[in-house]
Amino acid sequence: GAVVSQHPSWVICKSGTSVKIECRSLDFQATTMFWYRQFPKQSLMLMATSNEGSKATYEQGVEKDKFLINHASLTLSTLTVTSAHPEDSSFYICSAKRGTSADNEQFFGPGTRLTVL
Amino acid sequence: DAKTTQPPSMDCAEGRAANLPCNHSTISGNEYVYWYRQIHSQGPQYIIHGLKNNETNEMASLIITEDRKSSTLILPHATLRDTAVYYCIARRGYSGYALNFGKGTSLLVTP
Repeated sequence: GAVVSQHPSWVICKSGTSVKIECRSLDFQATTMFWYRQFPKQSLMLMATSNEGSKATYEQGVEKDKFLINHASLTLSTLTVTSAHPEDSSFYICSAKRGTSADNEQFFGPGTRLTVL
Repeated sequence: DAKTTQPPSMDCAEGRAANLPCNHSTISGNEYVYWYRQIHSQGPQYIIHGLKNNETNEMASLIITEDRKSSTLILPHATLRDTAVYYCIARRGYSGYALNFGKGTSLLVTP
C-alpha cells in the first residue's frame, strides 16, 4: 500500500510552452502533498505545500504564477509549469502524506524529468 | 528541524555491512531521526526511523547513541542495488511539514 504515482515520467517541451505534471496517491487519501525539484547533483528542494481544497503555500523564491499547483481532490495534485524555459529543466518529485494526524510518513512519487529545449 | 551532518560519500564492498554515520548534535527531545535513500533518477524511499531506541526492519538497522547526538544506519549485507544517496533527517514526529533534505551521503557499493 501507500503508492504515489506521477505522470508523465519524462517530458520534453519547447521553450514557452506549458507542461502539466500529475501526482496521484493510488491507495490512500492525501490531505497534503508536497512538490520538490532537484537539479543535477543537488538535493531535493521543496517548492510548495499543497493542501486539498486550499491554495498552495510556496517556498521563498518559487514563483507561484509560474508553477501553478492544484489539489482539487484527496488523491490528485497537479503542477503546471507555465511558459517553461530551459532553466526550468529539472527532476520534479511529489510526495503525499496520509490523512491521519498520527501518521507522519510521507510517500514519494517516482519523479518527472522535464527537459525544456 | 535539527541540522544533520553526513559524509559526502562512502564506498562499500558488496556483501559487507555499510555503516552510514550521521551527526545531529542539536537534536531536541521530540525529534526523530529518519533515513531515506534515493536511487539515481527515482523518488526518495523511506528506510527507517527512530527516537532513542535502536530500530531494525527488513531493510536496515538504526543505531542511535545514548545522548542522541549521532546515529548510524547499517545495511547489513550491501548489494549493488543499495548504491544510492542516503539522507538522514531529524524532525518532530507527527508533523505535517515537508522533509528537509540535506546533501546526504552518496554510497557506492562495488563488486
